[in-house]
Amino acid sequence: KQEVTQIPAALSVPEGENLVLNCSFTDSAIYNLQWFRQDPGKGLTSLLLIQSSQREQTSGRLNASLDKSSGRSTLYIAASQPGDSATYLCAADNYGQNFVFGPGTRLSVLP
Amino acid sequence: SAVISQKPSRDICQRGTSLTIQCQVDSQVTMMFWYRQQPGQSLTLIATANQGSEATYESGFVIDKFPISRPNLTFSTLTVSNMSPEDSSIYLCSVGDRTSYEQYFGPGTRLTVT
Repeated sequence: KQEVTQIPAALSVPEGENLVLNCSFTDSAIYNLQWFRQDPGKGLTSLLLIQSSQREQTSGRLNASLDKSSGRSTLYIAASQPGDSATYLCAADNYGQNFVFGPGTRLSVLP
Repeated sequence: SAVISQKPSRDICQRGTSLTIQCQVDSQVTMMFWYRQQPGQSLTLIATANQGSEATYESGFVIDKFPISRPNLTFSTLTVSNMSPEDSSIYLCSVGDRTSYEQYFGPGTRLTVT
């Protein structure tokens, strides 16, 4: 059974810092790994999807990497801004659109 | 990407009653998913809803408690039956892109049971 963990659980940084969020999964036979952002009381916004054949994906200031052999993914946020404050969730898909979510990292970017 | 809407956006319900949540997608999709997010927790998959067949429920979730309908390729409903305060959660529907398998979420329904 797939289990997904995220470190750290919470992170507070000053504006402008680069930061890394970590995601680990126990079953490396995944189809995809997807990163989401969730604002308080809201739904999820898809940030990046990394398919199993890919090593990384980039969108603007965000870069996500995937290392299936070690069961790890990282989300790198460059030049953080207060608007980046949210909870970031990673989810691993083992069976084709059957995602297991991590507990999330709550990010606060201080002005 | 898909645009997903949910109704209601929030509701406060009394113990023992039922609430039906609607999920509408702007394009035809094969698979729709229902998730629950309890306060302070991450998302847990309740069931997968395929058009024309019975929903597939995850361990710990049963059809009598969470009946699901999927009448066509753009719409689904989730009913939370005989509610108790423990059912207070955000309920989210999602769909997957058939080509990339990227998953998209609706805005969620915030349910409070008193």
